[in-house]
Amino acid sequence: GAGVSQSPRYKVAKRGQDVALRCDPISGHVSLFWYQQALGQGPEFLTYFQNEAQLDKSGLPSDRFFAERPEGSVSTLKIQRTQQEDSAVYLCASSVGGRTTTNEKLFFGSGTQLSVL
Amino acid sequence: AQSVTQLGSHVSVSEGALVLLRCNYSSSVPPYLFWYVQYPNQGLQLLLKYTTGATLVKGINGFEAEFKKSETSFHLTKPSAHMSDAAEYFCAVISYNTDKLIFGTGTRLQVFP
Repeated sequence: GAGVSQSPRYKVAKRGQDVALRCDPISGHVSLFWYQQALGQGPEFLTYFQNEAQLDKSGLPSDRFFAERPEGSVSTLKIQRTQQEDSAVYLCASSVGGRTTTNEKLFFGSGTQLSVL
Repeated sequence: AQSVTQLGSHVSVSEGALVLLRCNYSSSVPPYLFWYVQYPNQGLQLLLKYTTGATLVKGINGFEAEFKKSETSFHLTKPSAHMSDAAEYFCAVISYNTDKLIFGTGTRLQVFP
């Protein structure tokens, strides 16, 4: 596709349920980021991939959060045993090169809105 | 550590009026600064960015921002607001060695006819 695609667009989960959020970056993009955007807040960094390598996961809030990008294209963000505080919009972004946002344009998906009841 | 502060979570202007969205940054190293716009149900789009060089940066849709080191500011302006400018605007900063964008809390711009 022409842009970054995220699915599902909306996800409602019961507390304690596991969820998986998918990101299809623009074809050929090396860098992939996940951000979490709580209601009324700006996006906050979660994790960064360069191809299949997860180079930075310092923003993941707990060990219940796990991200992967096994073939260097599609990425999945998994949240285990969801809690109400996990409710947020999860944004994925990609860019062409490995040296990212300082010199390269970051393309964002529309996000997945996760609601944990 | 880098951070940005956006003054005013909501700004309302009349169509044709000046738009001014405020952003102040904190950085111990020369910052790279960005403005992003988020339309409803859409992803963030880059409006403009400042890295080095000219301090007045022009972006898309008639927006511009000026980097003022003495004031640690990077305010976003547009001379004449259009109805289509109604959206959420985020200021962001990054340091050259981390590649992490750090966003402000956003300013929602409303434009009235």
